[in-house]
Amino acid sequence: GDSVTQMEGPVTLSEEAFLTINCTYTATGYPSLFWYVQYPGEGLQLLLKATKADDKGSNKGFEATYRKETTSFHLEKGSVQVSDSAVYFCALSPLYSSASKIIFGSGTRLSIRP
Amino acid sequence: DVKVTQSSRYLVKRTGEKVFLECVQDMDHENMFWYRQDPGLGLRLIYFSYDVKMKEKGDIPEGYSVSREKKERFSLILESASTNQTSMYLCASSSGGVNQPQHFGDGTRLSIL
Repeated sequence: GDSVTQMEGPVTLSEEAFLTINCTYTATGYPSLFWYVQYPGEGLQLLLKATKADDKGSNKGFEATYRKETTSFHLEKGSVQVSDSAVYFCALSPLYSSASKIIFGSGTRLSIRP
Repeated sequence: DVKVTQSSRYLVKRTGEKVFLECVQDMDHENMFWYRQDPGLGLRLIYFSYDVKMKEKGDIPEGYSVSREKKERFSLILESASTNQTSMYLCASSSGGVNQPQHFGDGTRLSIL
């Protein structure tokens, strides 16, 4: 079945470092892909999305490109801030999903040191 | 912006009690979802609903039921609470159509003593 695999955390970086969180997926056809972020004590927020191959989603300095050939959707940011400390979830919505069900990865905890 | 509101941020109940978790969305979304989130296990889907009075089981429905009498409200019911149901519960909603993102509430941290 469809699944999402993302790099295990925790990931600890210094402020202004470059960030990559890897995400790969297994799915039939062309699912939509998402990154969600969960700040401490809150629910998940949609960070960015891409709906077809070679699409680039971007928001708040984060980017991810839908790579069909490598079935990947890696999250990147050029210069992280302390406020980016959170848990990040990669997710996909299968092509023929009832009620827009979403399959989530296990999450990657990111901590940024000042 | 979409607003998904969960009735309680923190809740403490006793084993054997019947527990109700309420969720309301204000964007006229067709779909609503209940997840639980546990360390190391990620998000697991309990139940979802794609229309009023319609519901489908998710991956871990045992010990839970749901109710959707109105479009904006989706309730999760723990029929007889047990300690292994201590968890963070997240409600989400999405509009109809293919591949729509889900919008989440802030969660209810439920402790069963």
